[in-house]
Amino acid sequence: KNEVEQSPQNLTAQEGEFITINCSYSVGISALHWLQQHPGGGIVSLFMLSSGKKKHGRLIATINIQEKHSSLHITASHPRDSAVYICAVSSSNSGYALNFGKGTSLLVTP
Amino acid sequence: NAGVTQTPKFRVLKTGQSMTLLCAQDMNHEYMYWYRQDPGMGLRLIHYSVGEGTTAKGEVPDGYNVSRLKKQNFLLGLESAAPSQTSVYFCASSYSMWGEQFFGPGTRLTVL
Repeated sequence: KNEVEQSPQNLTAQEGEFITINCSYSVGISALHWLQQHPGGGIVSLFMLSSGKKKHGRLIATINIQEKHSSLHITASHPRDSAVYICAVSSSNSGYALNFGKGTSLLVTP
Repeated sequence: NAGVTQTPKFRVLKTGQSMTLLCAQDMNHEYMYWYRQDPGMGLRLIHYSVGEGTTAKGEVPDGYNVSRLKKQNFLLGLESAAPSQTSVYFCASSYSMWGEQFFGPGTRLTVL
């Protein structure tokens, strides 16, 4: 199984701050996913990437395949960004399944 | 389009009772998955399906059964519920094997 580690587990930031959430994995992958889950809410896919960098609005995801590491950045954070951010990877040794990290709980205060 | 829907949204069972959770998707996806989410743990795969009529075991399949009789539906059954099956259950679907997964809203199940 591909072990997926996220850091930090919990993060509190003030509105406007630049936020970084990290994800590392143990085995080569075919793709890495970043997901968002609001309290009591469903899970939404933010990014799927296998190389380089992707940007959507204030969110940026990067991946370094050689270092087996990905980061999710949030610029100009806002209280509505408060959520759990989940990293997941898919690889040939996990069959068709995603292996999920435990998530990073982000709270952005006004 | 509704995307991925799950019924019911909430359910309370007594130990030993049975129930079926229904997942439906209207995106014509081949791949469907059932996950459970427990506090302090990442989502874990229970069963998955790579197409109509096919199912396979995931990481934590014991105590669950599944069926995919129609492409758009994926059913998760608990034959004899146990308190350890208290969890939030998410269904997801994807177009391709390693593609973006679309999640349903979840079913919160409590087994007393």
